[in-house]
Amino acid sequence: DGGITQSPKYLFRKEGQNVTLSCEQNLNHDAMYWYRQDPGQGLRLIYYSQIVNDFQKGDIAEGYSVSREKKESFPLTVTSAQKNPTAFYLCASRGTFLNYGYTFGSGTRLTVV
Amino acid sequence: KNEVEQSPQNLTAQEGEFITINCSYSVGISALHWLQQHPGGGIVSLFMLSSGKKKHGRLIATINIQEKHSSLHITASHPRDSAVYICAVSSGRETSGSRLTFGEGTQLTVNP
Repeated sequence: DGGITQSPKYLFRKEGQNVTLSCEQNLNHDAMYWYRQDPGQGLRLIYYSQIVNDFQKGDIAEGYSVSREKKESFPLTVTSAQKNPTAFYLCASRGTFLNYGYTFGSGTRLTVV
Repeated sequence: KNEVEQSPQNLTAQEGEFITINCSYSVGISALHWLQQHPGGGIVSLFMLSSGKKKHGRLIATINIQEKHSSLHITASHPRDSAVYICAVSSGRETSGSRLTFGEGTQLTVNP
């Protein structure tokens, strides 16, 4: 079945370390997105990519980096510059043309200690 | 004020009740999305609509573009419907790069 796979589901890191969250899709979607979710807040856009080798900053990109070397993969790196990295991170993709529906991953909960 | 407001924030119902969750938005949109988030965190897209009404099983979504308002209805609610329901809007021309603005979600609990 087609879908989005995020791994790992839970991740613990020490303060000051960079960490990379994986997002893979087999839906042949061009557009992919990273969102952050904090308690009591709506999802906020970190980065998005509409096509391979291209990506744009979202509303809260500071302290994060991404790459899009393959259509299927859109990894997110949480760097040590991110002041408050503990959060729930969701990856999504979106179809094109006749099917603009979104597909979301199951999320990664990152805890920095 | 958020661009997307949902009400209520929390909703508790008895099994079998008819449920309505409301969403109001303040920007021009090309589409409105209803999403469901289960306790594990994964999100499922329920509806994408730009006018009128859509139905899928016991779920019905309506939108009134003039009033900038949408409702999600659940008929004959069941404990497995317990989840967070999220309204999101996309504005501008509808393309694969359109961005979503999210409401804060409505926590629904259906008791047996």
